Amino acid sequence: AQSVTQLGSHVSVSEGALVLLRCNYSSSVPPYLFWYVQYPNQGLQLLLKYTSAATLVKGINGFEAEFKKSETSFHLTKPSAHMSDAAEYFCAVLPGNNNDMRFGAGTRLTVKP
Amino acid sequence: DAGVIQSPRHEVTEMGQEVTLRCKPISGHDYLFWYRQTMMRGLELLIYFNNNVPIDDSGMPEDRFSAKMPNASFSTLKIQPSEPRDSAVYFCASSLLGVGNGYTFGSGTRLTVV
Repeated sequence: AQSVTQLGSHVSVSEGALVLLRCNYSSSVPPYLFWYVQYPNQGLQLLLKYTSAATLVKGINGFEAEFKKSETSFHLTKPSAHMSDAAEYFCAVLPGNNNDMRFGAGTRLTVKP
Repeated sequence: DAGVIQSPRHEVTEMGQEVTLRCKPISGHDYLFWYRQTMMRGLELLIYFNNNVPIDDSGMPEDRFSAKMPNASFSTLKIQPSEPRDSAVYFCASSLLGVGNGYTFGSGTRLTVV
């Protein structure tokens, strides 16, 4: 069975600092991996996805994530945080053989001025 | 495409009343999902459909909850009778089965049962 674990339910950074949100996955088959962002009072929006084409994936708003099979990780980073990045971020895994996506518990990112 | 459309955006109802949430998926998508989000339990999958057929409803909390998908462009989630503990944000999402296709979420329905 596949699952994801997001380390840290809350992350706080200063504006301009590096953002690092951690995600580890488990999957019995080669997975597809996703990061979603949820702004207050909105639905989940796709930030980026890994579909085995390249291990470093670039997404919207300057975010990127690197797939590391040896570490079963798919951490999300952004070099310089902006106030508008404050939101909840969800990591998700989709096994390659079905459409049953599993979401992590989410990480709330706070950006301090 | 207008995306996944949910209605209403907000619903306030009294305990014991019937509540119906509606969803219009993206045209051409063959999967539809209903999720519930609360502070305590996070994002929970309630049920999902493939080609209008319910595939897995193991997440539906109890018999008070039911979902239907009469055609490819419409789905409902019904709660009867509603209880205060049903208060949550309910999301609908749709997707097209394929290589790494993600889900597209609607904006959600915020349900408050008083």
